[in-house]
Amino acid sequence: GDSVTQMEGPVTLSEEAFLTINCTYTATGYPSLFWYVQYPGEGLQLLLKATKADDKGSNKGFEATYRKETTSFHLEKGSVQVSDSAVYFCALRSPGGFQKLVFGTGTRLLVSP
Amino acid sequence: GAGVSQSPSNKVTEKGKDVELRCDPISGHTALYWYRQRLGQGLEFLIYFQGNSAPDKSGLPSDRFSAERTGESVSTLTIQRTQQEDSAVYLCASSPRGSSYNSPLHFGNGTRLTVT
Repeated sequence: GDSVTQMEGPVTLSEEAFLTINCTYTATGYPSLFWYVQYPGEGLQLLLKATKADDKGSNKGFEATYRKETTSFHLEKGSVQVSDSAVYFCALRSPGGFQKLVFGTGTRLLVSP
Repeated sequence: GAGVSQSPSNKVTEKGKDVELRCDPISGHTALYWYRQRLGQGLEFLIYFQGNSAPDKSGLPSDRFSAERTGESVSTLTIQRTQQEDSAVYLCASSPRGSSYNSPLHFGNGTRLTVT
C-alpha cells in the first residue's frame, strides 16, 4: 500500500538557518503530494501541495518539488523564523479508491532566536 | 466561513467508559474522514464517509470503535469500553463534493482523549 517516510525530529535550528525536511513516498499510482503544518495548540493546516512531476509547491517561503524519479518531496526554506516552530507532516493522496490522505510520522521543528 | 468543528476539544474518561466524539464538517462537504494521532506518531486513518455511508472502515482498530453520519453533515465517533491505548488526538477532515485527489482535506482542531 501507499506510505510516506519522513526524517525523524526534532530538527533544531537557529533563526535564519536553512531548513530541509526530507520526505519520500511509495505509491502504486501517481499521487498528489502535500505538506501540512501543525502549530502549537492548533489544528492541521495545508502548507503547500504539488500534483504532478516537477511541480513546485510554495507558501510562506517554504518550497517543495515533486520528484518522481526519486519519489521525494523534500520541504525547504531558506531562512527560518522562530514562528516556523511546528510539526510538519508530508502526505500523499492517490487517485482511485477512497482517496484518503496517507501521512508520514511528522517532523518537529524548533527554531531558536 | 466556518471550518471543520470538533467537540469536545478535550475529554478525560475512565478506562471502561464509552465516549462520543463529534465532528461538524464544512457545509456542503460530502466526504468526511476520521484520523487518530497518538503522541509522537503520525496520523492513522480510521474511517471514510461519502455522504452518510462509510465505504471504507478499514482503519477502525477494533469492534469497540464505530462511527455514523447523518444528514450528510455531523459525524459521531464512538469508542466503547475505552482502554488506555485509545488515548490520542482524534481528527476529523472533510472535502467538497466532486473534489479530486488533487485537493487537500480540511481538518478540525481535534479532540484530545485521555483515558485514565
